[in-house]
Amino acid sequence: GAVVSQHPSWVICKSGTSVKIECRSLDFQATTMFWYRQFPKQSLMLMATSNEGSKATYEQGVEKDKFLINHASLTLSTLTVTSAHPEDSSFYICSARATTISYGYTFGSGTRLTVV
Amino acid sequence: ILNVEQSPQSLHVQEGDSTNFTCSFPSSNFYALHWYRWETAKSPEALFVMTLNGDEKKKGRISATLNTKEGYSYLYIKGSQPEDSATYLCACQYNFNKFYFGSGTKLNVKP
Repeated sequence: GAVVSQHPSWVICKSGTSVKIECRSLDFQATTMFWYRQFPKQSLMLMATSNEGSKATYEQGVEKDKFLINHASLTLSTLTVTSAHPEDSSFYICSARATTISYGYTFGSGTRLTVV
Repeated sequence: ILNVEQSPQSLHVQEGDSTNFTCSFPSSNFYALHWYRWETAKSPEALFVMTLNGDEKKKGRISATLNTKEGYSYLYIKGSQPEDSATYLCACQYNFNKFYFGSGTKLNVKP
């Protein structure tokens, strides 16, 4: 089946540094990837949608200059949290839509980011 | 932001018990509903995708129903086993790509 590999699974960084999270589709081509975050006791909330080769579309309230998304190939999308602050500490998870699977959305396993 | 609600928030049952959870959602402009099973440190695993009012899907001991007119879906687990312990997420689509998630129901099945 379709698999999305997400790394790292957890990361601790210092305030002011940047952190990159990768999502790779291992056995299918993902034309579209989605980035979500989840704060404690809340639902997964969509941050942005990225299409291969074009700029990401950000949801209202998500700073595009802070959360840089790159989707340069059909199998890789990255989310970079720039100048991270403690309030960016959250659970980040990606999902990808395969070009060949109807209704098929596959998730990565998520990244727990802690900014200290 | 569309409000997708799941209840209960958590559930503790004995092995062998049957159980069910609810996902309620705005019915206007509904496109599809997805159920996922999510174990800690793993990727959410797709269980069902349902689109039509009255849809019923089954996978082993797990089944789901959908009522798009009143905006709810039920997930049933028959004869719960400890390995069914996980968080069950529902997500609704209102256009082709955008998902709105519930906060999940955390199920714990005691042996």
